Amino acid sequence: GQNIDQPTEMTATEGAIVQINCTYQTSGFNGLFWYQQHAGEAPTFLSYNVLDGLEEKGRFSSFLSRSKGYSYLLLKELQMKDSASYLCAVRATAGANNLFFGTGTRLTVIP
Amino acid sequence: NAGVMQNPRHLVRRRGQEARLRCSPMKGHSHVYWYRQLPEEGLKFMVYLQKENIIDESGMPKERFSAEFPKEGPSILRIQQVVRGDSAAYFCASSRGPPRNEQYFGPGTRLTVT
Repeated sequence: GQNIDQPTEMTATEGAIVQINCTYQTSGFNGLFWYQQHAGEAPTFLSYNVLDGLEEKGRFSSFLSRSKGYSYLLLKELQMKDSASYLCAVRATAGANNLFFGTGTRLTVIP
Repeated sequence: NAGVMQNPRHLVRRRGQEARLRCSPMKGHSHVYWYRQLPEEGLKFMVYLQKENIIDESGMPKERFSAEFPKEGPSILRIQQVVRGDSAAYFCASSRGPPRNEQYFGPGTRLTVT
């Protein structure tokens, strides 16, 4: 089966840096995605990793270690609008295009 | 430059009725995915379609649920004889295809079964 683990909730201060971890055990691996989802809204694409290493995009960075089945999303210079759920999703095989999602990490940014 | 469109945004049905959810993919996207999200749970894959073909329906319940993506028009997720447990948010996503195949989500349809 497929298993994706993320912390349920995190709290961080405006202007700070926060790291959201994701570990996965899947039958195969063909890419890891991070999405942001505000309450009652659609998930929006943040990042994609398929090779080991760090991908940086503005205030957001995502890291992947395939040997460890581990990824993290790093958010810098936190803003109040970053309060949302962050979803880690894995594409298990190249042939199957569906994503397996974790339950998400609800991040609350406080002043 | 419209994104993925879904309608209706909210749908209320009584037990036993049928629910039809529609999804129009982003321009240039020919791959459509349906996911279901229950309260406080993660997104669960249901079905993956390309034009006129169901590619993977491994996440779809065997009974009452069906999906199509006709040559013309939106993709439709159909739930027959709805039950209270079908109440959820149903999200559609679309993608351009390999190699990255990143999926872009629509705003979802919130189905409430009374």
